[in-house]
Amino acid sequence: AQKVTQAQTEISVVEKEDVTLDCVYETRDTTYYLFWYKQPPSGELVFLIRRNSFDEQNEISGRYSWNFQKSTSSFNFTITASQVVDSAVYFCALSEYGTNAGKSTFGDGTTLTVKP
Amino acid sequence: GAVVSQHPSRVICKSGTSVKIECRSLDFQATTMFWYRQFPKKSLMLMATSNEGSKATYEQGVEKDKFLINHASLTLSTLTVTSAHPEDSSFYICSAGTGPNTEAFFGQGTRLTVV
Repeated sequence: AQKVTQAQTEISVVEKEDVTLDCVYETRDTTYYLFWYKQPPSGELVFLIRRNSFDEQNEISGRYSWNFQKSTSSFNFTITASQVVDSAVYFCALSEYGTNAGKSTFGDGTTLTVKP
Repeated sequence: GAVVSQHPSRVICKSGTSVKIECRSLDFQATTMFWYRQFPKKSLMLMATSNEGSKATYEQGVEKDKFLINHASLTLSTLTVTSAHPEDSSFYICSAGTGPNTEAFFGQGTRLTVV
C-alpha cells in the first residue's frame, strides 16, 4: 500500500523567511510519480510540480525548489523568501504508474501561514 | 499539457436533492477516472476508480448507492450525489488517466454545499 507522510501539520513563518515542507513516502513500486499541490483558501487544487521516480534531479522554479531523494524516500519542497500569498495548504501526493496508473495517495497536508 | 475540466466548480443544493458533477478530459481520452473527496481541513481520499464502459470500483466505506459514478465515454465521467445531506458537503475532485503506465491529471474540484 502507498503512504505519504507530511509530518508538519502547520508551519508559521514571517515574510521573507525560507521554509521547507517535508514529504516522506512509502511504496513498493519502482516507478511512480510524486506531486506537490497548493490549495489556497479559495479551495482549488493548484498543481506545482510532478516528478517521475527515475528523475532525481532537483528542480528550481522561481522561489520554489524541490529536493527528491529516492534513498530516503523524501520529496521536500522549499519556498525561498516566502510571501503572504504563499499561505495555503500544501499537499504532497504519490501516484501509481502501473495497472492503477493515476491512482493517487495524498499526505495530510501542511498548512503554511506566512505573516507580514 | 492535458486538461481536465470539472463542472461545476461550486454548487449549493437543498437537502434531499441529487447533484451531478462532471469531469471531462478535454484533449485526451481518459480510460480511467478517479474521484476523491476532501473533508474540511482534511486530506483528499480516493472514493472510487472508474474505467470507461465498466462499473466503478469503490473504496471501502464509500456508499455505492449514494455516490453514483458513470463513465460512459472516454472523455466524460460523472459523480452523482443522491439524496444529498449536509454531511455530504465537501470538496470533490476528479483525475483522469489514459491507462497503465501513464499519469493522471486533476480537475479543478467542486465545492458542494448541502443546505
